[in-house]
Amino acid sequence: DAKTTQPNSMESNEEEPVHLPCNHSTISGTDYIHWYRQLPSQGPEYVIHGLTSNVNNRMASLAIAEDRKSSTLILHRATLRDAAVYYCILRRTGTYKYIFGTGTRLKVLA
Amino acid sequence: AAGVIQSPRHLIKEKRETATLKCYPIPRHDTVYWYQQGPGQDPQFLISFYEKMQSDKGSIPDRFSAQQFSDYHSELNMSSLELGDSALYFCASSLGAGLYNEQFFGPGTRLTV
Repeated sequence: DAKTTQPNSMESNEEEPVHLPCNHSTISGTDYIHWYRQLPSQGPEYVIHGLTSNVNNRMASLAIAEDRKSSTLILHRATLRDAAVYYCILRRTGTYKYIFGTGTRLKVLA
Repeated sequence: AAGVIQSPRHLIKEKRETATLKCYPIPRHDTVYWYQQGPGQDPQFLISFYEKMQSDKGSIPDRFSAQQFSDYHSELNMSSLELGDSALYFCASSLGAGLYNEQFFGPGTRLTV
């Protein structure tokens, strides 16, 4: 299974941008990069996904390195409601599952 | 918008008992996934179904079985429950099973053994 590596925890001040990194050096050419977050006592929630190009949606932006061995989730203005565990997941061809790693616990300071 | 429905939300069982967890996917979603999240742990994939056929399997114990019915709802059956089965069980659904398809997660069933 494709492995991702993320920092265990990060802190950010409210209203400031947050860059959450993810390393996936074993990524293959057809793996999609997905980001989910899990708020306390809730199920994981989709944030964004991409293949090769950078992606933007209403929640966040995803910057993918040219060699695709790393990516960065960007929250443009962190709010207290963004405090959660953020998971970077590779979705591999021929599989249906998400393999959750340890994720990054984001703490947002008021 | 309709979300994934899981029932029951909470379940308390004794050791060696059986439990059945139910999942109702978002309307028109044809793919269902089951995940287990132990206390302080990350979600672990158990099993998935696409169009009522098992599509992928993770570290699901032999004591557990699951199926997807003709109306696309799914049930996870757990027998000979052990203390270590205490966890949050999430069901997710998606429309199609492509690599880019977003999985929508339900609120989870908290099982206490």
